[in-house]
Amino acid sequence: GENVEQHPSTLSVQEGDSAVIKCTYSDSASNYFPWYKQELGKRPQLIIDIRSNVGEKKDQRIAVTLNKTAKHFSLHITETQPEDSAVYFCAADTGGFKTIFGAGTRLFVKA
Amino acid sequence: DSGVTQTPKHLITATGQRVTLRCSPRSGDLSVYWYQQSLDQGLQFLIQYYNGEERAKGNILERFSAQQFPDLHSELNLSSLELGDSALYFCASSLTGTGRTGELFFGEGSRLTVL
Repeated sequence: GENVEQHPSTLSVQEGDSAVIKCTYSDSASNYFPWYKQELGKRPQLIIDIRSNVGEKKDQRIAVTLNKTAKHFSLHITETQPEDSAVYFCAADTGGFKTIFGAGTRLFVKA
Repeated sequence: DSGVTQTPKHLITATGQRVTLRCSPRSGDLSVYWYQQSLDQGLQFLIQYYNGEERAKGNILERFSAQQFPDLHSELNLSSLELGDSALYFCASSLTGTGRTGELFFGEGSRLTVL
């Protein structure tokens, strides 16, 4: 079935450094790839997304890249801050009505 | 506030019991999704409804069932509860499928504890 793999499961960086989270998906029909941030005890919230007709998208300190041929996409956070500490989930929409999430990456930003 | 309302926020029950979780989507959204998040785990897709009809199914147990009503609210029914069913259950909504309209809006979740 559809699957989204996410790495690493835990990531610890120093404040000001960059963080990169990588995901791969299995369903070649996937056309929408969002990233969600979940702070402790809170609901997941969308931080950035990319569609299959775009290779890269940037929003201030956050960027996402997509390689459709290799079926992988990545989240890049630059100049990390303590408030970036959270669990980040990648996801893939497998054709319009099923959004499958990766297992999540717990990011720690050390001040 | 995402506009998605879930009740109850917390629920404690015993093994073998049955519970119903309720979700009201954002105004105008036709799609409702249910996800299960166990402790320190990811978001497991359970089931999705669009305008009253089931459209996609994930790893939902046979003991679990769901429906979406004409007013578009949805209920997730969990029966013959086991300890392992303890989790945070999220409801999310979108206008149609996310492949077309993007973002999922999540509710605050219903935390189920089975003792």
